[in-house]
Amino acid sequence: QVTLRESGPALVKPTQTLTLTCTFSGFSLTTTGLSVSWVRQPPGEALEWLALIDWDDDKFYSTSLESRLTISKDTSKNQVVLSMTNMDPVDTATYFCARMSEYNSPDAFDLWGQGTMVTVSS
Amino acid sequence: QSALTQPASVSGSPGQSITISCTGTSSDVGRYDLVSWYQQHPGKAPKLLIYEDTKRPSGVSNRFSGSKSGKTASLTISGLQAEDEANYYCCSHAGNNVYVFGIGTDVTVL
Repeated sequence: QVTLRESGPALVKPTQTLTLTCTFSGFSLTTTGLSVSWVRQPPGEALEWLALIDWDDDKFYSTSLESRLTISKDTSKNQVVLSMTNMDPVDTATYFCARMSEYNSPDAFDLWGQGTMVTVSS
Repeated sequence: QSALTQPASVSGSPGQSITISCTGTSSDVGRYDLVSWYQQHPGKAPKLLIYEDTKRPSGVSNRFSGSKSGKTASLTISGLQAEDEANYYCCSHAGNNVYVFGIGTDVTVL
């Protein structure tokens, strides 16, 4: 069974750096064609794609947030980590991690974690 | 990349068909056959409905279908059911493994 689960702080202060971890099971990010993305959703608003890391350790970022984001993976732990610097109240959102498989459904997010809510407030 | 344009809301009666549009640009929807659609119920994670413009993953009801013409993709829900009441998002590849979502459409079953 393939699952993804996000974890991280529920509350961060403005200007702090947010670090989120996606822990997954049922697949390996060493498998060709697989990748994991981060997507966020402010309360009552739309989904926003943030970043992607693939099996080959290639990394891609949203052009509007690229300067603040860093994505990495630890294949031994089946984890993908997202860091976002200089957090602001507008970054308050539910953050999801999602898998993409070129074998199952190319360029689509076929499996999602349940999301973790992050509030930015002093 | 700017969010793809979707109608804020669409409604229909049970059994009817509705269509949700998703308009992008020549750099995303119009350039790649890589539009996907997601259903999201309140407080839940999104669920993949359609990928590569028109393809349905196994396990997704054939009441959901996708199409595309130029810079506009569409999701049609036929035989509308109460359980279809949710938010729907389109997403497109926008080049160099960058992705852009639509603003979302709230579907109401009357």
